[in-house]
Amino acid sequence: DGGITQSPKYLFRKEGQNVTLSCEQNLNHDAMYWYRQDPGQGLRLIYYSQIVNDFQKGDIAEGYSVSREKKESFPLTVTSAQKNPTAFYLCASSPNRYGYTFGSGTRLTVV
Amino acid sequence: GESVGLHLPTLSVQEGDNSIINCAYSNSASDYFIWYKQESGKGPQFIIDIRSNMDKRQGQRVTVLLNKTVKHLSLQIAATQPGDSAVYFCAETVNSGNTPLVFGKGTRLSVIA
Repeated sequence: DGGITQSPKYLFRKEGQNVTLSCEQNLNHDAMYWYRQDPGQGLRLIYYSQIVNDFQKGDIAEGYSVSREKKESFPLTVTSAQKNPTAFYLCASSPNRYGYTFGSGTRLTVV
Repeated sequence: GESVGLHLPTLSVQEGDNSIINCAYSNSASDYFIWYKQESGKGPQFIIDIRSNMDKRQGQRVTVLLNKTVKHLSLQIAATQPGDSAVYFCAETVNSGNTPLVFGKGTRLSVIA
């Protein structure tokens, strides 16, 4: 079945540590996105990529980094510069202008 | 499951009643709108969309209404069922979606059996 897979489902990060969240899609979608979700707030855009080897910052890119070396993959690294990384992270993809498909999310907790 | 929103506006409805969830969008240039449903601990799921050249669009048990004059979007769910309990988000974009979606803060729908 085609879909978008995020892993891991739960992730724990120690202070000062970088962690990478995986997002893989087999839908042949050109565009991919990373959103952050905090309680009481909507989804906020971190980074997005509309084609391979190109990506743009979203509204809250500070403390995060991404790469888009393959069409299928758009990993997100949460760096030690992100001071409040505890959140639910959602990856999405879309074929063109419409219709995002979301993954099931990764819950990141700082310990 | 995990909570996706602890302090969201909440709408409580009796099972079988109709639900109306409202959304005020921010950008008068937005030309494409989507409603998503998010269950606890899961990613959002597409419900229905509408383009700015339409005022109303119907799906199965759901209807979206768009009032561009006051920048207002609503989602109507007919005969609400317990499985409809979730957080509902509206999202908007300009240029027919060629720019990323901007999401509202969401509304939690609780269905009383």
